Amino acid sequence: ETGVTQTPRHLVMGMTNKKSLKCEQHLGHNAMYWYKQSAKKPLELMFVYNFKEQTENNSVPSRFSPECPNSSHLFLHLHTLQPEDSALYLCASSLSRTSGRGNEQFFGPGTRLTVL
Amino acid sequence: SQQGEEDPQALSIQEGENATMNCSYKTSINNLQWYRQNSGRGLVHLILIRSNEREKHSGRLRVTLDTSKKSSSLLITASRAADTASYFCATEPDRGSTLGRLYFGRGTQLTVWP
Repeated sequence: ETGVTQTPRHLVMGMTNKKSLKCEQHLGHNAMYWYKQSAKKPLELMFVYNFKEQTENNSVPSRFSPECPNSSHLFLHLHTLQPEDSALYLCASSLSRTSGRGNEQFFGPGTRLTVL
Repeated sequence: SQQGEEDPQALSIQEGENATMNCSYKTSINNLQWYRQNSGRGLVHLILIRSNEREKHSGRLRVTLDTSKKSSSLLITASRAADTASYFCATEPDRGSTLGRLYFGRGTQLTVWP
C-alpha cells in the first residue's frame, strides 16, 4: 500500500453520465496530481494541486473538472465524456510540488474508466 | 519533448539473469526517478538519483546517471518472476515553470520467466 487510495477501481459510464473519481492520501502530503494513462502512451499529467490550489491544468478538456477541498482529498468530476477518454486515471501525491528534496510521487492504484 | 525515453520497449529474460533498462532525456534535470508498475495498477517509486550523483544502490537495484550524455540505466540483479512489470523513468527539470513536474517515458515492459 502506498498510502494513496482511489475509488472506484473500475467505472463504466455512458457519454451522458456524470460521475466522480475520488482520491485520498494519508501521507500528510501537500501536492496532489491527476494523471491519465492510455495504452502505448506516456503518462499524461492532467492537473496539479499544491496546498489546495490548482497550479497546473495541462490543457485538459472542460469535461474533466478537478476539485481539491483539502490537502488530503482530490476529486475528478466527469461529464459528457467521449470513448477516447477511456483510460486508467491515476492519482498521486508528493510532499509538495517543489520539495527541494526531489519530487518523489506516491501513486494510487488507479481507476479503470470505460466510456461507452 | 522533455519526456524520458526508455530502451528497450520490452525485455524478456530468465530468472536469475540481470535486467538492464536505459533512459535518455533531453533537458537539464534536478533528479531522475525510476518507477515500477504492475499490470493495471499504480506506479511505485523505486529510486531517485540527483543530478550530482553518478550511481545509487537499493537492494537488487543499481541506478547510474550520466548527465553529460543525458542518460540513466536501471540494473536489476538476480531477477525474479515477481520483477515482471513495466518500468518507467521520470525526470524532474531543474528550472522554469516546469520545476517540480515529472516527465515520464513510455516504459520498458520486463518479463521474467521462471
